[in-house]
Amino acid sequence: ETGVTQTPRHLVMGMTNKKSLKCEQHLGHNAMYWYKQSAKKPLELMFVYSLEERVENNSVPSRFSPECPNSSHLFLHLHTLQPEDSALYLCASSQDLRDTYGYTFGSGTRLTVV
Amino acid sequence: LAKTTQPISMDSYEGQEVNITCSHNNIATNDYITWYQQFPSQGPRFIIQGYKTKVTNEVASLFIPADRKSSTLSLPRVSLSDTAVYYCLVGDIEGGGADGLTFGKGTHLIIQP
Repeated sequence: ETGVTQTPRHLVMGMTNKKSLKCEQHLGHNAMYWYKQSAKKPLELMFVYSLEERVENNSVPSRFSPECPNSSHLFLHLHTLQPEDSALYLCASSQDLRDTYGYTFGSGTRLTVV
Repeated sequence: LAKTTQPISMDSYEGQEVNITCSHNNIATNDYITWYQQFPSQGPRFIIQGYKTKVTNEVASLFIPADRKSSTLSLPRVSLSDTAVYYCLVGDIEGGGADGLTFGKGTHLIIQP
């Protein structure tokens, strides 16, 4: 365990389903991130939160909806996904924004959309 | 973040020293060089960070020449468990900002027995 816990580890969902990914950290970090990693592609930054406020949204489709209820928890709500959304979704946290030294990643959720 | 270039893949054998070089010709004065390691189906893990000359920790060494236009991650006496993707990132960690870390394709290191 790295200090960032993601659940579930694996998820299979249909294109009409609604599901949520959960990320939790108790490292006292103030910034949290969602990344997407598709097969044979670099990690893509999706969302950035600092002190529970969204500060970055990298043109992510609206079928992905993040939520940060407090500094320890981050959710990614999924609805009406497409098969090309199948990927490894990674959550990370850092003490502050752009703290390249202290990014801690979770183990990810392997999502398959059928 | 400055653009980085590193080999797509490398092969080596157990017990050997592995050196992965990263080019970053447009590195800025305030930029640091950071390396991450990623195993399959896991998130990246911080390995080492440096600004100039040499940095060493229990996992690796990082060599940075005077012009800072490249850097070399050195893994001493690798084992099979060092098989992973290694990412080189260059960026300014000062002054705040909201763009997060940007990862390239990394170097896929394969260690054979």
